Parts: sequence; structure tokens; C-alpha cells
Amino acid sequence: GAVVSQHPSWVICKSGTSVKIECRSLDFQATTMFWYRQFPKQSLMLMATSNEGSKATYEQGVEKDKFLINHASLTLSTLTVTSAHPEDSSFYICSAPTWSSYNEQFFGPGTRLTVL
Amino acid sequence: EDQVTQSPEALRLQEGESSSLNCSYTVSGLRGLFWYRQDPGKGPEFLFTLYSAGEEKEKERLKATLTKKESFLHITAPKPEDSATYLCAVQYVNFGNEKLTFGTGTRLTIIP
Repeated sequence: GAVVSQHPSWVICKSGTSVKIECRSLDFQATTMFWYRQFPKQSLMLMATSNEGSKATYEQGVEKDKFLINHASLTLSTLTVTSAHPEDSSFYICSAPTWSSYNEQFFGPGTRLTVL
Repeated sequence: EDQVTQSPEALRLQEGESSSLNCSYTVSGLRGLFWYRQDPGKGPEFLFTLYSAGEEKEKERLKATLTKKESFLHITAPKPEDSATYLCAVQYVNFGNEKLTFGTGTRLTIIP
């Protein structure tokens, strides 16, 4: 199956700082990528849809100025958590559908963010 | 309101004890139903996609089925390595937009 990577796998930062998370499709191109957040023992909640070459679309309740998304190429999307606070601590996961089967999304391994 | 509900929340089975996990949904405009396996601290791993009622798919000890209201993930003679959280997700069209909504998952533990 298709491979999606994320970097870093985990990050600890101080409150008020910004953190950038990268999502890469390694063996396919993705014009669309999705960013999810998962709290402990809860399911994945879609935060936003990242579109290559255009603005991201955010789900209701997600602050676009706090969670900046950039999809600069067909293989890379970045999520920047700006002015992070402890309540932003979570597991962030990206996914991308492949050209061959648009409905099947392949997920990255996730990034564990801890804000102190 | 569109919803995806999984049951049970947690399930403990003895090795070799077969069972089924349920995913019920109340969305309109279903495009596909997906099953994923998620290990702790990792991203979901794709298992199956089902598109229409009556469809079935199998992979090793797992078999997924779909009706108009629910999907079942049957696990036959499970092994300890099948222990994981199993997520279902429903893809549908909402006001012209494709949406993928996840259930809360079933935590499956297989006891040797």
C-alpha cells in the first residue's frame, strides 16, 4: 500500500511556542491531504482538508489562525500549531488518498504533541 | 444528525474465540465504509473498503460485511497479534462536500 510519513513522531514544547508538523506522501502524489486530531481513547476528528496550491478548508470549530496548513507541493503538507497551549496536546495524524483509489486514505504514523 | 457508532467499546476474547464487531451508521449519501486497525501510538492501518449492501471482503482472519445500516467485522480464531483498536469510518456527501466520519472504535484484546 501507499506510504505516508510524518515528522516529527513526537514533540514537546513550551506554552506559547509554535510547532510545525510535516506530512509526506512517499510513493505517490496527493493533491489533497487530511489532518486529524485524536485525544486519548477517542476517535479521529477531522480538523481540516489540505489542498495543494490553494487554501485549506477547516472543519467547524477549528481555528484557522491557530492551525496553519500549507500544502506547497504534491507530496508535502505542513500543519503549524501556533502559540500552543496545554489543551493543544494531542495526537495529530495526517492522511492522503491515492490517485488509484481516491476513496482509500492512507494514514501517517501520527505526531504526539505535548505542550508544557 | 449523521452518526457512526461502534460496539462494543471493548472486547476481550480468548485466543481462538471468534466474534464480531459492529459499526452502525445513520448517514445519507454513503460513498463507502472503511475498516482500519490502529495500534497504540500509531496511525490507522487500512483494512477494507465496502461500497454497497451485501458486499463482503476477507483478509486472513478478518471478514467485513455491509448492510444498509451497519457493517460487521468478523474475526475468526483470533490470535494475540490481532489485539488492537478497530475503527470504522463512513465516507458520505454532506452539502456537496465529501466527509469521512470515524466511529469511536472497539478495543480488542486477545488473551493467549
